[in-house]
Amino acid sequence: SVLLYQKPNRDICQSGTSLKIQCVADSQVVSMFWYQQFQEQSLMLMATANEGSEATYESGFTKDKFPISRPNLTFSTLTVNNARPGDSSIYFCSSSTGTSTEVFFGKGTRLTVV
Amino acid sequence: AQSVTQPDARVTVSEGASLQLRCKYSYSATPYLFWYVQYPRQGLQLLLKYYSGDPVVQGVNSFEAEFSKSNSSFHLQKASVHWSDSAVYFCALSMATGGNNKLTFGQGTVLSVIP
Repeated sequence: SVLLYQKPNRDICQSGTSLKIQCVADSQVVSMFWYQQFQEQSLMLMATANEGSEATYESGFTKDKFPISRPNLTFSTLTVNNARPGDSSIYFCSSSTGTSTEVFFGKGTRLTVV
Repeated sequence: AQSVTQPDARVTVSEGASLQLRCKYSYSATPYLFWYVQYPRQGLQLLLKYYSGDPVVQGVNSFEAEFSKSNSSFHLQKASVHWSDSAVYFCALSMATGGNNKLTFGQGTVLSVIP
């Protein structure tokens, strides 16, 4: 299994500012994924991050708004640029081991933009 | 493209009653299927998963699910629910393995168990 630690657990930021969310895995993983969940809604895949390459973004998400870094096999950072109240949601990082189909999630970061 | 549908947004059952949460998927091949539970203000916990083999899979906390290829379904069941089962349940699908497991989630079903 993989344990994923996210920091911060929650944050409140002003509109127009940027926020970084960190995800650390307790072992090396090939891919890390970032999901967004609005309150009482489903999880939407934002992007896939592999080491040493640019993240691949899903429709509706851009690297200008949500830049993602993946400097090594245990770490990823999601940044929310020019935050707006509509970005208020929970952000989850996710991953799996190299040979397993089981998917693991961090505990999430609850972001409120005021 | 793949999709997951959970037709019941909310389900309310009495404690001790049986439970079925429905999940239908759309995918051209046999997918990897998961059920996750999310308790209030918490992350996702894996209940069970199906990859292949026996279509009935057992999970944690006495949950089980049955895969049906003919019906494109993966319904979650429990024989007797407890009030602590109240949570949001998500069905999810993955197409790939080898560390690149992107998930497509259903809309979620809010389960309320009445004591």
